[in-house]
Amino acid sequence: DTGVSQNPRHKITKRGQNVTFRCDPISEHNRLYWYRQTLGQGPEFLTYFQNEAQLEKSRLLSDRFSAERPKGSFSTLEIQRTEQGDSAMYLCATANSSFSETQYFGPGTRLLVL
Amino acid sequence: AQSVTQPDIHITVSEGASLELRCNYSYGATPYLFWYVQSPGQGLQLLLKYFSGDTLVQGIKGFEAEFKRSQSSFNLRKPSVHWSDAAEYFCADGAGSYQLTFGKGTKLSVIP
Repeated sequence: DTGVSQNPRHKITKRGQNVTFRCDPISEHNRLYWYRQTLGQGPEFLTYFQNEAQLEKSRLLSDRFSAERPKGSFSTLEIQRTEQGDSAMYLCATANSSFSETQYFGPGTRLLVL
Repeated sequence: AQSVTQPDIHITVSEGASLELRCNYSYGATPYLFWYVQSPGQGLQLLLKYFSGDTLVQGIKGFEAEFKRSQSSFNLRKPSVHWSDAAEYFCADGAGSYQLTFGKGTKLSVIP
């Protein structure tokens, strides 16, 4: 499979716990994005990497959220001290800036905070 | 700030009927416009995109969309809907920044 992959696909956690999600991009895609989608809404931008550099962060990304992309390959999104309001689908998308701005999305990680 | 409006939250059509999903964008410069489709519990699949050139763009699964600058619209169309087209459809604008701004989506139901 040469598409964007995300793990885990589903995560149930208790309020206050930390969770980490992983995104593996399409090979040679240098841009990587994280979005959050809540029920009945379109995806909302969280953060963006060009290679290993995190270039933009949304105001939605509180201090409890941190994202990394070591070596410009896979990325992780960590949420510390989860809250019920963090329950959502977390989507990763990647793009190759050499060709176009088209973003290709992974299947997402659905988080439920109890 | 950019915004994308999809005026129809839910549309129901009969199988074989034609379909038009509306999308309006707010950014003033030439937009980068996309339509994505999302099946329940899944990620988003790209249907088509418009960056420049011919204002009528063809996509996958028999979909097309027309960019109309005068109306700030980028409506998605399909001449004959199949039951497998039932899903949620999102319009997005990527102009002015690297991030995509999405509409709230239109849920499509298909009556057999």
